[in-house]
Amino acid sequence: DAKTTQPPSMDCAEGRAANLPCNHSTISGNEYVYWYRQIHSQGPQYIIHGLKNNETNEMASLIITEDRKSSTLILPHATLRDTAVYYCNVRGPAGNTGKLIFGQGTTLQVKP
Amino acid sequence: DTAVSQTPKYLVTQMGNDKSIKCEQNLGHDTMYWYKQDSKKFLKIMFSYNNKELIINETVPNRFSPKSPDKAHLNLHINSLELGDSAVYFCASWKAGELFFGEGSRLTVL
Repeated sequence: DAKTTQPPSMDCAEGRAANLPCNHSTISGNEYVYWYRQIHSQGPQYIIHGLKNNETNEMASLIITEDRKSSTLILPHATLRDTAVYYCNVRGPAGNTGKLIFGQGTTLQVKP
Repeated sequence: DTAVSQTPKYLVTQMGNDKSIKCEQNLGHDTMYWYKQDSKKFLKIMFSYNNKELIINETVPNRFSPKSPDKAHLNLHINSLELGDSAVYFCASWKAGELFFGEGSRLTVL
């Protein structure tokens, strides 16, 4: 499984876009990039995932570089409720029963 | 309806005791996991079952024994509890590229 590197912490002003980077330079061709977040001590929550193309859903956008060695999660209008630890992970295709390994994540603090 | 439910949510016990944590998912998924989150907040995978079969067994002491009576349930039994077992244990189920986590079971060993 490819390893990911994220900054330990970031701040963002409420209402502004939060851009969370992730480095996954050893990602394999069939591995997807996944983003989860953990608010306080709740169970981690799925946000978004992608393979090559940029993805968008109601929560966030995922921008993957052309060489797939890094990605950015974008929360377009951060709110105080988006304060959480954000985890970037990689794993095999959806049908694969492999393991999702969590790194240290980025603690995002959204400030008023 | 809660998709992945764990019981109990809190468990306080003495060293040396045996305890179990139960997990149930009503999503119809085939694959379930146990993760451990320690005081430093690292989430570590422990076990995974696919359709009642053990497919992932990380380096976990054999005091920890998962059991999957059917694909909707994955229980975790811990023998001879130690102080270092204190953590939050998360159950999760997986399908179609998404892991669904329970709310966690906080185990405190005194």
